Amino acid sequence: DVKVTQSSRYLVKRTGEKVFLECVQDMDHENMFWYRQDPGLGLRLIYFSYDVKMKEKGDIPEGYSVSREKKERFSLILESASTNQTSMYLCASSSYQPQHFGDGTRLSIL
Amino acid sequence: DQQVKQNSPSLSVQEGRISILNCDYTNSMFDYFLWYKKYPAEGPTFLISISSIKDKNEDGRFTVFLNKSAKHLSLHIVPSQPGDSAVYFCAASARFSGGSNYKLTFGKGTLLTVNP
Repeated sequence: DVKVTQSSRYLVKRTGEKVFLECVQDMDHENMFWYRQDPGLGLRLIYFSYDVKMKEKGDIPEGYSVSREKKERFSLILESASTNQTSMYLCASSSYQPQHFGDGTRLSIL
Repeated sequence: DQQVKQNSPSLSVQEGRISILNCDYTNSMFDYFLWYKKYPAEGPTFLISISSIKDKNEDGRFTVFLNKSAKHLSLHIVPSQPGDSAVYFCAASARFSGGSNYKLTFGKGTLLTVNP
């Protein structure tokens, strides 16, 4: 079974803080993804990576950056957290399809 | 512009009856379609998929139908069970069309409630 692990289930941070969300997969997948899920908006792609040190912007990259130094690990970085970044963040990995998701991090920015 | 649309935010059915969830898409490059199921406080889990070379795919109680000319797909759950109550997301990719074949575009989801 594919295992995608997100480091925190719940996180509370303050406006202006630099926030790191970590994701690890155990299936040697080339592709990794970060989404955010908001009520009524579905899943929106923030960034994805198709190889170590490679990244591409998704649909809503503003205010975010990513890091992929090792194949199994993909980090999402909120450079200066703002209240409109309060959301559920979901990490996924895949070879092709389907993508396999972690359980999410519910992030609150106060 | 929304390329994958799930026009019903919610659906309620009785246990034992059929649930039909609908999805429309606008991008003709999409050639692979997936359905995911999501419970609260969990990540989405993959349910079933279909390639554009098929018009039907079945897995147990779940069947996905694809109508390419109408750019429409549907997920049928028969019989529906209370444990099926969840949000269902439709997703699409341009797998062989020269685009980013590992990216998915998701709909906004439909909340299915199956009443005992």
